[in-house]
Amino acid sequence: AQKVTQAQTEISVVEKEDVTLDCVYETRDTTYYLFWYKQPPSGELVFLIRRNSFDEQNEISGRYSWNFQKSTSSFNFTITASQVVDSAVYFCALNPNSGYALNFGKGTSLLVTP
Amino acid sequence: NAGVTQTPKFRILKIGQSMTLQCTQDMNHNYMYWYRQDPGMGLKLIYYSVGAGITDKGEVPNGYNVSRSTTEDFPLRLELAAPSQTSVYFCASTTAGPSYEQYFGPGTRLTVT
Repeated sequence: AQKVTQAQTEISVVEKEDVTLDCVYETRDTTYYLFWYKQPPSGELVFLIRRNSFDEQNEISGRYSWNFQKSTSSFNFTITASQVVDSAVYFCALNPNSGYALNFGKGTSLLVTP
Repeated sequence: NAGVTQTPKFRILKIGQSMTLQCTQDMNHNYMYWYRQDPGMGLKLIYYSVGAGITDKGEVPNGYNVSRSTTEDFPLRLELAAPSQTSVYFCASTTAGPSYEQYFGPGTRLTVT
């Protein structure tokens, strides 16, 4: 079965705090792809990152970083020095090589207050 | 490029009515998808298409139909609307399959009363 679990339903932080959003996935495929999408209050979905299962290198993009660990089936997302504009719902998603679509987690709602 | 466009943005339907949600992309993508998003849930796939003339069911296809007569357009048809179809609907497209970044439309918020 293909499954993505985002155990944190809601997180609230104060601006400038660091925050990590957890993502745990399940798949039997050896080749698969993982994604993070952001959904700001305006409602659209914005692509953040794509990672394939053979690339375990961590990635950093500005204040955003991602930690991919196959040993724990996790693909966690960290925002450093959070800002109010980071307030959004963040979705982790999985595409197994054998599948035709993305399997989304239920999302983590992040609220950053001034 | 406009990307993926959806119309309408909002709609209220009465139970039993029908409607078509429009989706158009101008990126010449072969793959297109329809998702629904219910409160507190992730997105669930309704239907998808791998090219003009080819469509297939996703996870939650009941109560919906699709067609794909052109590369650009992928309309979603709701027949006999039910309150359970109250949701936000997103159309998405991608160039080479689901392992690549999907580009999403702005969504259609549908209420069935």
